[in-house]
Amino acid sequence: DAGVIQSPRHEVTEMGQEVTLRCKPISGHNSLFWYRQTMMRGLELLIYFNNNVPIDDSGMPEDRFSAKMPNASFSTLKIQPSEPRDSAVYFCASSHRVKGTEAFFGQGTRLTVV
Amino acid sequence: DAKTTQPPSMDCAEGRAANLPCNHSTISGNEYVYWYRQIHSQGPQYIIHGLKNNETNEMASLIITEDRKSSTLILPHATLRDTAVYYCIVRVVGGGADGLTFGKGTHLIIQP
Repeated sequence: DAGVIQSPRHEVTEMGQEVTLRCKPISGHNSLFWYRQTMMRGLELLIYFNNNVPIDDSGMPEDRFSAKMPNASFSTLKIQPSEPRDSAVYFCASSHRVKGTEAFFGQGTRLTVV
Repeated sequence: DAKTTQPPSMDCAEGRAANLPCNHSTISGNEYVYWYRQIHSQGPQYIIHGLKNNETNEMASLIITEDRKSSTLILPHATLRDTAVYYCIVRVVGGGADGLTFGKGTHLIIQP
């Protein structure tokens, strides 16, 4: 398996624009997580899904952030409108709820909002 | 999940054993100790986990004290590629579906 795949790897956008980050989890995994990492706040859990259903989105900073998982092999994290303080590295991770207790992370998307 | 305390940074000479401590004095009976690391510009990587017995795999060993209030991750022969931030996390058994709560971790620097 190629691991968790995130796209794009880098994104530069202007303030106010919509940004969509994409994630393909490892095949067979049924839990998916979105994290954000900044120097100030470290790694923060934004939201996680079990079997494509959002379970806990308490980490989503505000209504400008939304996440979807339309099927087991794809998830998106959308920011609309984007702001400079959203600049961060966004990681997606997946795991198997029953078989595995470890999470596998993607390489991340570095977002810069100017 | 219980809180963990780790030193912010450590140095280790290449080829030596790196011993990374972690305190988790409020750990519950059903919480495992997990270790992840994050090499610069990469996503976090799972290393090892354990409940109360010592564990070893191809990457590292995990030593958990008898009272389970602290643990040590051991990299037996550190290389320059082991330079990374190491995170100690405690979480409930069967918590594969729940997100990980990362602290600040220990920045391990392997010196040539």
